[in-house]
Amino acid sequence: AQSVTQLDSQVPVFEEAPVELRCNYSSSVSVYLFWYVQYPNQGLQLLLKYLSGSTLVESINGFEAEFNKSQTSFHLRKPSVHISDTAEYFCAVSARGGDDKIIFGKGTRLHILP
Amino acid sequence: EAGVVQSPRYKIIEKKQPVAFWCNPISGHNTLYWYLQNLGQGPELLIRYENEEAVDDSQLPKDRFSAERLKGVDSTLKIQPAELGDSAVYLCASSLGLSSDYQETQYFGPGTRLLVL
Repeated sequence: AQSVTQLDSQVPVFEEAPVELRCNYSSSVSVYLFWYVQYPNQGLQLLLKYLSGSTLVESINGFEAEFNKSQTSFHLRKPSVHISDTAEYFCAVSARGGDDKIIFGKGTRLHILP
Repeated sequence: EAGVVQSPRYKIIEKKQPVAFWCNPISGHNTLYWYLQNLGQGPELLIRYENEEAVDDSQLPKDRFSAERLKGVDSTLKIQPAELGDSAVYLCASSLGLSSDYQETQYFGPGTRLLVL
């Protein structure tokens, strides 16, 4: 079975500053990794995902995450945040090719300070 | 293109009453998921459908929860009877259904917020 840990429940950061949201996972098999974002009063939507290939994946709005197998991490980064990035971010993991369900972390709430 | 539609958006009931949630997935999406999200937690999968077949319902508390997707399109999740601890947000999501594992992008609805008094 897989598990995922988001150590930070809330992250405050000044506008235009860089941010890193941490995600660590545990699995005995190969995994897929996801970051979903939930903007205020909206449903969750996929931000980016790692399935295979390049370990660095990017989203269209400037976020990126790097799959680090040795560290069992999939941290989310953005070099300069905007007020519109205010949201809750969920990391998720599922087993590659398996029947194990997708597991979501508890979420990290990103607060952008003006 | 319409997204995943859920209704109602909010529901308040007394304990021991029944409640039902409805979900209409994105057109053409064969896979449908129901999740439970407690306050301060991430979504937890309750059941996954591929067309009208429930392929993963291991996390669904079958003593009081039931779900159906009769024609392989929209779906209903029911709780009977509701308990205080069932207060949460119930999320529906859908995906294309081209893969049997969980690699596909899921598209989520806005959720139904349930309060049991």
